[in-house]
Amino acid sequence: SYEVTQSSSVSVSPGQTASITCSGDRLGDKYAYWYQQKPGQSPMLVIYEDNKRPSGIPERFSGSNSGNTATLTISGTQAMDEADYYCQAWDSSTVMFGGGTKLTVL
Amino acid sequence: QVQLVQSGAEMKEPGASVKVSCKASGYTFTNNDINWVRQAAGQGLEWMGWTNPNSGNRGYAQKFQGRVTMTTDTSISTAYMELRSLTSEDTAVYYCARGRSDSSGHSYSYYFDYWGQGALVTVSS
Repeated sequence: SYEVTQSSSVSVSPGQTASITCSGDRLGDKYAYWYQQKPGQSPMLVIYEDNKRPSGIPERFSGSNSGNTATLTISGTQAMDEADYYCQAWDSSTVMFGGGTKLTVL
Repeated sequence: QVQLVQSGAEMKEPGASVKVSCKASGYTFTNNDINWVRQAAGQGLEWMGWTNPNSGNRGYAQKFQGRVTMTTDTSISTAYMELRSLTSEDTAVYYCARGRSDSSGHSYSYYFDYWGQGALVTVSS
């Protein structure tokens, strides 16, 4: 079955750029999605179809997807961006999530 | 505004069943799938399956086949997820999420744009 994998943690200083990656076999041939989850809250969609932002998501969130890797980029990272981020893909009528990346802003 | 409001926390003994509900509002219930995703404490998201309120069709992750049933009641815009033969491994927060799909791009698109608040299911003797 298809799988997507993420690094477990990323650290970034406030104001800097954070990059969170998601890997899967020929992931670039599919769409990648990204969800943000803060402690005690439900996940929230921040990027869909590789690089589209839902209404209300700040412009500092962007995405790309090519080859075997999708990337979520947060420019000018703020303390409020500290959260777990999950990538998601769809293949053969099955949804799969990456294991999640904990973003620490320090 | 779109809202998915789930039923409350449940405590069950091993071997029992649990049924979690998800009441939708703010959109036409039959226009979107409802998916179920669970998350054990400190762990990642695990997709369980989907159900389509319009057609009644459903699909389950292989891990849950034979143990889960997802249904909807369109008269009250509510989806249900029943999980049977519970073990301690099923202790988790269970989320419902609205599915969005689009086949117009280079690949089929399927994702979740709205989520319920989650329902904690605890399995313990």
